[in-house]
Amino acid sequence: NAGVTQTPKFQVLKTGQSMTLQCAQDMNHEYMSWYRQDPGMGLRLIHYSVGAGITDQGEVPNGYNVSRSTTEDFPLRLLSAAPSQTSVYFCASSYSRTPGTSGSIGHNEQFFGPGTRLTVL
Amino acid sequence: GQNIDQPTEMTATEGAIVQINCTYQTSGFNGLFWYQQHAGEAPTFLSYNVLDGLEEKGRFSSFLSRSKGYSYLLLKELQMKDSASYLCAVRENQAGTALIFGKGTTLSVSS
Repeated sequence: NAGVTQTPKFQVLKTGQSMTLQCAQDMNHEYMSWYRQDPGMGLRLIHYSVGAGITDQGEVPNGYNVSRSTTEDFPLRLLSAAPSQTSVYFCASSYSRTPGTSGSIGHNEQFFGPGTRLTVL
Repeated sequence: GQNIDQPTEMTATEGAIVQINCTYQTSGFNGLFWYQQHAGEAPTFLSYNVLDGLEEKGRFSSFLSRSKGYSYLLLKELQMKDSASYLCAVRENQAGTALIFGKGTTLSVSS
């Protein structure tokens, strides 16, 4: 298993440009999410999805769009990049329910991708 | 409101024991996670607590008191490779698995 993969690893954008950060997982996880990590701010949730066709906003969704057309892929789109979006972006995935149980979440930890380091000039 | 507090930085020496505290105030509670993150890398899962008490996993242990909104991560027999950030995160509800993270504690281990 490749786990959670993210592309690109590094990206430099100019203000106003748009781009898509790619995230894919091969663990058949229902739940996927996007975080940004800034110095002194910790990880903050941008958007998340509990399954194909279902997405919802996290703590800091403004300026970002997501879609979930397949279980495996969860791309994050920056519509018009701003310097405030300079950050490290992590995608994560997990089971929503413990496989083989009656529905308990259990300790389904989130697995993180390697991150995308984005700079907006 | 939601709040998760951890010390910003800690230092310790090789072979010592260190305890990293985490206090939380969240609208719901369905489990507390500890992650380790080395500089420039992704967070990796260390431990999970949902009931009160101590969970031990090798050199690492994690404790939870739900009534006090308090957890700690205990690292024993510290090694240089334990120098990293340690992130406390709370899962708020049963319906989703979104995590709320604290800002992390940077641990520096010296020889």
